[in-house]
Amino acid sequence: DTGVSQDPRHKITKRGQNVTFRCDPISEHNRLYWYRQTLGQGPEFLTYFQNEAQLEKSRLLSDRFSAERPKGSFSTLEIQRTEQGDSAMYLCASSNSGQGSNQPQHFGDGTRLSIL
Amino acid sequence: AQTVTQSQPEMSVQEAETVTLSCTYDTSESNYYLFWYKQPPSRQMILVIRQEAYKQQNATENRFSVNFQKAAKSFSLKISDSQLGDTAMYFCAFMKPTSGTYKYIFGTGTRLKVLA
Repeated sequence: DTGVSQDPRHKITKRGQNVTFRCDPISEHNRLYWYRQTLGQGPEFLTYFQNEAQLEKSRLLSDRFSAERPKGSFSTLEIQRTEQGDSAMYLCASSNSGQGSNQPQHFGDGTRLSIL
Repeated sequence: AQTVTQSQPEMSVQEAETVTLSCTYDTSESNYYLFWYKQPPSRQMILVIRQEAYKQQNATENRFSVNFQKAAKSFSLKISDSQLGDTAMYFCAFMKPTSGTYKYIFGTGTRLKVLA
């Protein structure tokens, strides 16, 4: 169990640029989640994958956001035409459905995005 | 919609003392799961303890225990024999398995500082 890995740890970019983040879940985990955490707040759900299928997207995920998990393993989250309000920590989590619905989510270190 | 409230933004406790962090939630569901996660400064969130709503017995993990009051929709975390390493943000989270996504709804967190 090598844990959930996210890359990069930090991203600084100018407003209007596109950014892409990567998440590598724990290898046997088929569920993958993206959350966004702003300063002083708890994480907020963005989207969920079961294997390669994206089964839910939050209303927080505007048209500028897209997420993929092409082979049911790693996932990417892309933000196009970044805005100041996109500055946040983006967390990835994974869990395993094999032993029931209550398997806890394991979180990565997150990618901190700063928009200049 | 489910909501999770953590009414204590910050708390402090002396090393070796006991502290209780509060969490209340709102739901009409009868089957759900509750979690406490710990987020140390600049480090990833890790699971502290979890509780299944259908279990009346309060969960315990070493120095960590919960007081789960289903009727009152309360889920407090008690940390006994506090250690300096317990300094972190603590998040309460709710999950209903019938959502199909098993996503978490988080509270805003309590920042705990353990004093030497």
